Amino acid sequence: AQKITQTQPGMFVQEKEAVTLDCTYDTSDPSYGLFWYKQPSSGEMIFLIYQGSYDQQNATEGRYSLNFQKARKSANLVISASQLGDSAMYFCAMRVNTGNQFYFGTGTSLTVIP
Amino acid sequence: NAGVTQTPKFQVLKTGQSMTLQCAQDMNHNSMYWYRQDPGMGLRLIYYSASEGTTDKGEVPNGYNVSRLNKREFSLRLESAAPSQTSVYFCASSATGGVRETQYFGPGTRLLVL
Repeated sequence: AQKITQTQPGMFVQEKEAVTLDCTYDTSDPSYGLFWYKQPSSGEMIFLIYQGSYDQQNATEGRYSLNFQKARKSANLVISASQLGDSAMYFCAMRVNTGNQFYFGTGTSLTVIP
Repeated sequence: NAGVTQTPKFQVLKTGQSMTLQCAQDMNHNSMYWYRQDPGMGLRLIYYSASEGTTDKGEVPNGYNVSRLNKREFSLRLESAAPSQTSVYFCASSATGGVRETQYFGPGTRLLVL
């Protein structure tokens, strides 16, 4: 069975500081992709970053990077130099090679403090 | 490109009423999905369609039906609405090129069942 776990319901970070949002996953499929999405208060879901199970390097997209530790089955999102606009819900998700479904965690609410 | 569109944006129903949520995508994606989002529970998959002409149950299919009308459109029907179906509903689509294909989400439909 596939599972995504986000253990931090809420996080606070000072503006301009870095923050790490935790995500652990469970799958027996050797080929999988891990995704992070942002959901601001307006409600839309925005794709942030992707990491493949066979990727040798950690993914980066601007201020977002993914700390991928395959042996620990973790895919933590790191946001550098936090901005007020980063305040949102963040969801970790997984897609495995054996199906078309995506599996989502319960999300982490991030609040950036001025 | 409009991406993924959903109608309506907001709906109020009385218990026992029926309604259909419409979803369309213009990205030529094979796969389409319906999720519901409830506080603290993340996104839960209701139904998905891997390709035109196929549909499969997700995690929470009871009380819902779907129709993949063509490659572009995927509708969700509530035959007899219940207060437990009060939620935000998201439609999404993705290509089927492998695990690195992300999902693209519609803006969501807020449904209140009285």
